[in-house]
Amino acid sequence: GESVGLHLPTLSVQEGDNSIINCAYSNSASDYFIWYKQESGKGPQFIIDIRSNMDKRQGQRVTVLLNKTVKHLSLQIAATQPGDSAVYFCAETSNSGYALNFGKGTSLLVTP
Amino acid sequence: DTAVSQTPKYLVTQMGNDKSIKCEQNLGHDTMYWYKQDSKKFLKIMFSYNNKELIINETVPNRFSPKSPDKAHLNLHINSLELGDSAVYFCASSSGLGRQGQFFGPGTRLTVL
Repeated sequence: GESVGLHLPTLSVQEGDNSIINCAYSNSASDYFIWYKQESGKGPQFIIDIRSNMDKRQGQRVTVLLNKTVKHLSLQIAATQPGDSAVYFCAETSNSGYALNFGKGTSLLVTP
Repeated sequence: DTAVSQTPKYLVTQMGNDKSIKCEQNLGHDTMYWYKQDSKKFLKIMFSYNNKELIINETVPNRFSPKSPDKAHLNLHINSLELGDSAVYFCASSSGLGRQGQFFGPGTRLTVL
């Protein structure tokens, strides 16, 4: 859902279920995307990246899907664990190509 | 071993003061960045340096002055601190410009009273 006021969109899942976090990007010229995980009090941590010549990339328990037609990116986490609870950000290369533009972030809460 | 480190972790200061935040990376990267994260968790690029040269300055007030003494360090000096400067500041580094994963430090929480 959309963020309201100070609240981030929140996804609540049960331990062991699969999670899907979605992101819409705005720059149709973007050719590189990254997902980051940020735990409370820590810096963003690189999870997985994908270039625009691919539509799917898999890592350990994570999969990123890219749909350039609708400018949509998703992060799938398999068998979600309590340690996956964090804020997840998608990022795309900026127009200059020299930095990243970050999305709003989605808070993932994993319940036992 | 910490890849990207920042000091201090917390900084509380009065309006009008001048303060510095230091950043060091031991990854051998040649590009370093400063980002600001506001209270809504929104992350925005401030500066980017490549091989000690300024590449990006994203309309940041000139009270903010980055300095890169060498490729492994990018410090941020802030003059005449204002209430709106309160945020978490993250340093990051990457190997080369653009289209590379950036690795972030633990952040510095700046509170201006």
